[in-house]
Amino acid sequence: KAGVTQTPRYLIKTRGQQVTLSCSPISGHRSVSWYQQTPGQGLQFLFEYFSETQRNKGNFPGRFSGRQFSNSRSEMNVSTLELGDSALYLCASSLLTGTSTADSPLHFGNGTRLTVT
Amino acid sequence: AQSVAQPEDQVNVAEGNPLTVKCTYSVSGNPYLFWYVQYPNRGLQFLLKYITGDNLVKGSYGFEAEFNKSQTSFHLKKPSALVSDSALYFCAVNRDNYGQNFVFGPGTRLSVLP
Repeated sequence: KAGVTQTPRYLIKTRGQQVTLSCSPISGHRSVSWYQQTPGQGLQFLFEYFSETQRNKGNFPGRFSGRQFSNSRSEMNVSTLELGDSALYLCASSLLTGTSTADSPLHFGNGTRLTVT
Repeated sequence: AQSVAQPEDQVNVAEGNPLTVKCTYSVSGNPYLFWYVQYPNRGLQFLLKYITGDNLVKGSYGFEAEFNKSQTSFHLKKPSALVSDSALYFCAVNRDNYGQNFVFGPGTRLSVLP
């Protein structure tokens, strides 16, 4: 079974621009989460989507947004890029089990490394 | 608030020796605790989880973790370290019972010396 696929692997953008990152989850996984990883702040939760609905949201400004499509693929958008948005953006998918998903592990892609100049 | 702490930024161990990577947690209710590993330029890989039951949990690549409720700890262990175990290790807890909203520790870099 194919793993989580993120595209592109690397991006270089200029301040003020916007960017869209893409994530294809493992087949059958309906939950897709996004995380930002930086040396200073570590791993921080951005948001989670399930069945095309945002179910959880982290503490990031409105410039960060996402969506999920009917085939569970997800995109993340960052508008008006700032230098501090330079990071590794990780997508993870998860398989739901029953009514409680707290025990479902995340399956991560290899990330998109965004550099803002 | 749910949180995890990893008190050591770096752990060095000789190949063949046992290794321990420490994690302590602060959660309300039942903790759902996880360990992940990250190799350079890669995403995180799931190692093991504790939900309920036995306090010693076995996972991938020979790793295991010991859950200790009284000490609120969930330390990762391996009886005999390999050079290939050198990586960044993250402890995590899911803050949401019905969704995916993980909080991760800051990570511990493990170096296994030949």
